[in-house]
Amino acid sequence: AQTVTQSQPEMSVQEAETVTLSCTYDTSESDYYLFWYKQPPSRQMILVIRQEAYKQQNATENRFSVNFQKAAKSFSLKISDSQLGDAAMYFCAYRARNQFYFGTGTSLTVIP
Amino acid sequence: DGGITQSPKYLFRKEGQNVTLSCEQNLNHDAMYWYRQDPGQGLRLIYYSQIVNDFQKGDIAEGYSVSREKKESFPLTVTSAQKNPTAFYLCASSKGSTGSYNEQFFGPGTRLTVL
Repeated sequence: AQTVTQSQPEMSVQEAETVTLSCTYDTSESDYYLFWYKQPPSRQMILVIRQEAYKQQNATENRFSVNFQKAAKSFSLKISDSQLGDAAMYFCAYRARNQFYFGTGTSLTVIP
Repeated sequence: DGGITQSPKYLFRKEGQNVTLSCEQNLNHDAMYWYRQDPGQGLRLIYYSQIVNDFQKGDIAEGYSVSREKKESFPLTVTSAQKNPTAFYLCASSKGSTGSYNEQFFGPGTRLTVL
């Protein structure tokens, strides 16, 4: 069974500092995709970054980057130069075929 | 602008009543999904549909029903058989093909409260 685990229910970071959110997944599929979504207080889910399992190069989107370790089935999100607007719930997600699986989320607090 | 709309934003229901949550997309996506979100439990899949007139149960389908008569629309009915329906409901869509990222796009959600 495919599962996604986020072991950090809550994290905090000082403004302008860097924080890493952890995510591990379990799968027997060879072709899959990984995502990080952000859910701010408005509760609108927003795609932050995505990674294809076949690509060894880690994805980067401005201040957001991932550390994708395929053998370890790990997909962590690094937020650099944290801003107050980064405060949100972050969900790690996995897609194989047309099925999506989500972790339970990490609530990120940004301290001014 | 393309996107997903859900209505209403807030919904109140008396016990024993059925209620239907609306979800419409103009992204020309084949696949649509309904999730339930409760505190500390992430997103749980209720139903999904990969094509018009076809849908499959997710992990927590009991007490819910759906229809997919049009590509753009995927309404969710919360029936009186759902024991604990108070929750935040999210609708999502994706292209549906298997050969690319096909990330999900989400609507703004509906907060359902049973009185």
